[in-house]
Amino acid sequence: EAGVVQSPRYKIIEKKQPVAFWCNPISGHNTLYWYLQNLGQGPELLIRYENEEAVDDSQLPKDRFSAERLKGVDSTLKIQPAELGDSAVYLCASSLRQGGGELFFGEGSRLTVL
Amino acid sequence: EDQVTQSPEALRLQEGESSSLNCSYTVSGLRGLFWYRQDPGKGPEFLFTLYSAGEEKEKERLKATLTKKESFLHITAPKPEDSATYLCAVLGGNEKLTFGTGTRLTIIP
Repeated sequence: EAGVVQSPRYKIIEKKQPVAFWCNPISGHNTLYWYLQNLGQGPELLIRYENEEAVDDSQLPKDRFSAERLKGVDSTLKIQPAELGDSAVYLCASSLRQGGGELFFGEGSRLTVL
Repeated sequence: EDQVTQSPEALRLQEGESSSLNCSYTVSGLRGLFWYRQDPGKGPEFLFTLYSAGEEKEKERLKATLTKKESFLHITAPKPEDSATYLCAVLGGNEKLTFGTGTRLTIIP
């Protein structure tokens, strides 16, 4: 069974440029998460989807970050414009059970903003 | 606000030297405590779920235990391949999963 797939794995951009990350969850997993992980820190939730609905986006900086999950499968996380402080690893995860804690993570997308 | 504190931040052990990692937590309405393993450049990998005080789970050289205030991840006779960062997370009544900062474990051959 394929795991959570993320792309790109690495992205280097200049500040003020836009960037987008893509995630394909495990087949059949209706719950999808985007997390941010800084070096030496644990993952921090940005947004959680149940199917197409964003049920928790309270930690998403909506002035520059946006996310969508069309058709309840793939998801895209966008940052526009990027700032130096956005340099981090962006992790996508999915789970079979709604509101649970057994998550399956992708390998992450490492963003460097210069 | 739910909080998770892990200690120590880093731990170096000789191969075969057993030890324990600590995860202390405060949470409103604990729905589960979770242990994950994270290798460099990878996403976290789920290891265990614990639901109530007194519960224990085992997998190979790892055993996780839970009390009302903390959880321990015991590692018995570790091998170099056990080297990783171990993350603890709690799921509260608000259905938010809160992670600790992890313990970076290094097993020296």
